[in-house]
Amino acid sequence: QKEVEQNSGPLSVPEGAIASLNCTYSDRGSQSFFWYRQYSGKSPELIMSIYSNGDKEDGRFTAQLNKASQYVSLLIRDSQPSDSATYLCAVFGAAGNKLTFGGGTRVLVKP
Amino acid sequence: DTAVSQTPKYLVTQMGNDKSIKCEQNLGHDTMYWYKQDSKKFLKIMFSYNNKELIINETVPNRFSPKSPDKAHLNLHINSLELGDSAVYFCASSQSSSNSPLHFGNGTRLTVT
Repeated sequence: QKEVEQNSGPLSVPEGAIASLNCTYSDRGSQSFFWYRQYSGKSPELIMSIYSNGDKEDGRFTAQLNKASQYVSLLIRDSQPSDSATYLCAVFGAAGNKLTFGGGTRVLVKP
Repeated sequence: DTAVSQTPKYLVTQMGNDKSIKCEQNLGHDTMYWYKQDSKKFLKIMFSYNNKELIINETVPNRFSPKSPDKAHLNLHINSLELGDSAVYFCASSQSSSNSPLHFGNGTRLTVT
């Protein structure tokens, strides 16, 4: 089992719709969770961090964390063509010193 | 500008050569990292330094040798380059070694021919 798993996609959503991305992780002691966005040929860019169970909203983005289910998700509301990118889920393990990334989910927002 | 900067942006070289990638951050962070992103876009940690001390050394061939002269710099030297070393190498930094988000440099695309 991979440490951090995501569907590779592509996840195709129409403009204005909600994109829903999922991520599961294997280390039950993990405490910190992040979503990064990576455009083709660019570096990963932090868009959300979440540390507690529940929802965290920032603009059009909502991160959801369920530690009991070892599951973290990202919702993108009112999706725009500029949201087309690969979204990387990243988790700090229980030791807190290594950030492990999932393989990323490619999102395509169609006008 | 405050940032993580790495050079060069592109590196094309032949098998067997030795090359270095440099990284500097002016964010005041005390932890720096090297990640490798392969052709399938999977981002994998290689090394991590905290205040110039090596704290993470993943299963990486010993042809790869990181060096941190101070907490703002982390360089990566690669000996005897192989075709499989072709990838994008990202430097990153974080405020501490525990649970803080990473800030990435722009990457170095290494092509070994």
